[in-house]
Amino acid sequence: ILNVEQSPQSLHVQEGDSTNFTCSFPSSNFYALHWYRWETAKSPEALFVMTLNGDEKKKGRISATLNTKEGYSYLYIKGSQPEDSATYLCAFNTNAGKSTFGDGTTLTVKP
Amino acid sequence: NAGVTQTPKFQVLKTGQSMTLQCAQDMNHNSMYWYRQDPGMGLRLIYYSASEGTTDKGEVPNGYNVSRLNKREFSLRLESAAPSQTSVYFCASSEMGEQYFGPGTRLTVT
Repeated sequence: ILNVEQSPQSLHVQEGDSTNFTCSFPSSNFYALHWYRWETAKSPEALFVMTLNGDEKKKGRISATLNTKEGYSYLYIKGSQPEDSATYLCAFNTNAGKSTFGDGTTLTVKP
Repeated sequence: NAGVTQTPKFQVLKTGQSMTLQCAQDMNHNSMYWYRQDPGMGLRLIYYSASEGTTDKGEVPNGYNVSRLNKREFSLRLESAAPSQTSVYFCASSEMGEQYFGPGTRLTVT
């Protein structure tokens, strides 16, 4: 079983704060790292797929970086808004195609 | 495109009853997955199918069986439900790793 860890488990911030959280994964047999956004009572939706060491992806106020050599990815949210409240999951893929998910970071943004 | 559909949305079973959760995707994806989601535990892989005609165990397969009926459909069967199988079940499909999830089935076993 591959170990994918996310920290912190939960985070409470004020509207306007910037925040970041971490996904740690095995540095061997890396194929891809995915970030998903999971709102309460909905299904997870893909945010980013990252495949190359040093990759940086950005979508609006959300961005992510990838370090495959040391086995971590950061997700950043700039100027958090209440609608950013969700659980953010990362998923690690080996080239065998199976994804291993972390337990997620639950973000709550207070107005 | 409906994406990934799951039926039923909700189900209550008594211990020992059996049922099948249905999943279908219309994106022509090769890979399909069944996960369960329990509070504080994220998504745990039950079974997956890399292509039509193949299935493999995931992290928590005990108590479940699957059938990849064709490229579109991947069903999950509980032969004798137990209270420990109370959970939310998600089906997903993928091509090149990125997964598309169904809306989930909330199962309660009493």
